[in-house]
Amino acid sequence: DARVTQTPRHKVTEMGQEVTMRCQPILGHNTVFWYRQTMMQGLELLAYFRNRAPLDDSGMPKDRFSAEMPDATLATLKIQPSEPRDSAVYFCASGLVGTGTTEAFFGQGTRLTVV
Amino acid sequence: DQQVKQNSPSLSVQEGRISILNCDYTNSMFDYFLWYKKYPAEGPTFLISISSIKDKNEDGRFTVFLNKSAKHLSLHIVPSQPGDSAVYFCAASAPTNTGNQFYFGTGTSLTVIP
Repeated sequence: DARVTQTPRHKVTEMGQEVTMRCQPILGHNTVFWYRQTMMQGLELLAYFRNRAPLDDSGMPKDRFSAEMPDATLATLKIQPSEPRDSAVYFCASGLVGTGTTEAFFGQGTRLTVV
Repeated sequence: DQQVKQNSPSLSVQEGRISILNCDYTNSMFDYFLWYKKYPAEGPTFLISISSIKDKNEDGRFTVFLNKSAKHLSLHIVPSQPGDSAVYFCAASAPTNTGNQFYFGTGTSLTVIP
């Protein structure tokens, strides 16, 4: 049963601390997305990768957020330093996107609380 | 700038009746549309999609209608069941020179009353 795995599921941290969220995409998928769920914006795209290369991270606050894909089985989203306004649920999704369009498969999310 | 809009944050429907969830978009380049369903504490799961070359796609109790001239799509669930109670996200995709990405609406929380 292929699925996107995200760790941790929950994270509570103090303001100013570094937070790293991890994602294992579905094997064989070539595209990885990072989304943040907020009440006002719904699912907000932060960044996405195609074949491990970053294609668009314009949705991400560059000064504190960074996204990487060190290998095909791991994507990371890092916040340093974290702020209370970063509190949200962060979703990773993967998909096989090519000449056609397919759906993105989501992980269960990381609920981040910055106090 | 929200390119995909779901103007109804919530909807309540009696079991057995039809649920109609609406979605509007602004980008005429969108060529693929999807609906996702999300239960609490879980990630969104894909429900149904439609290509811009079609105006209707049906899968069991779920039907998606696309009106390109109005830039509007809707999801019909009939008959509605209590297990359909969830948040429904509309999403749209447009081709770019770097491939497709998905834009999501803010979601509509559906409650099906037994």
